[in-house]
Amino acid sequence: GAGVSQSPSNKVTEKGKDVELRCDPISGHTALYWYRQRLGQGLEFLIYFQGNSAPDKSGLPSDRFSAERTGESVSTLTIQRTQQEDSAVYLCASSLFDGPGNTIYFGEGSWLTVV
Amino acid sequence: AQSVTQLDSQVPVFEEAPVELRCNYSSSVSVYLFWYVQYPNQGLQLLLKYLSGSTLVKGINGFEAEFNKSQTSFHLRKPSVHISDTAEYFCAVSEGNQGGKLIFGQGTELSVKP
Repeated sequence: GAGVSQSPSNKVTEKGKDVELRCDPISGHTALYWYRQRLGQGLEFLIYFQGNSAPDKSGLPSDRFSAERTGESVSTLTIQRTQQEDSAVYLCASSLFDGPGNTIYFGEGSWLTVV
Repeated sequence: AQSVTQLDSQVPVFEEAPVELRCNYSSSVSVYLFWYVQYPNQGLQLLLKYLSGSTLVKGINGFEAEFNKSQTSFHLRKPSVHISDTAEYFCAVSEGNQGGKLIFGQGTELSVKP
């Protein structure tokens, strides 16, 4: 597709369940990012992947959060044993290559509600 | 560590009036600065960015921003706003040694009234 695609667009889950969020970056983009946006707040960096290098996981809030990326394509963000404070929009983004000043293109997000 | 502060959480303004959305950053190294816009029920899109060169940067939809190194600011301006500019605006910074990772401010909600 032309843009960053995320699924599901909306997910309601019960507290304690695991969830997986999927991201398809723009074709050919080597860098992929995950952000979290809580209601009424800014974007919080979670993790990013850059080609074959080790991912930068410095923003993951706890060990319940993990992410994987297959080559330079699809990424999955997994949240284990979800808590109510995990409710947020999870945004995926990609850029052509990893480097400062690159334009990052965002998907429309996956809205997660933990009840 | 780098950080971004957007001084106003909400900015109400009348149509055709000028507007300035303020952004300050802190960093000990060279930075690259961005403004993104999020229209209601849409994803974020890039308005403009400063990489180097001229400190006045022009973006889409008539917006511009000025990089001021001494004041560590990157304020966004538009001389005459439209109803369609109603949106959330985010300032972001990336550092030269941190790859493409962006650190965002808390956002400013611009509300344009007729």
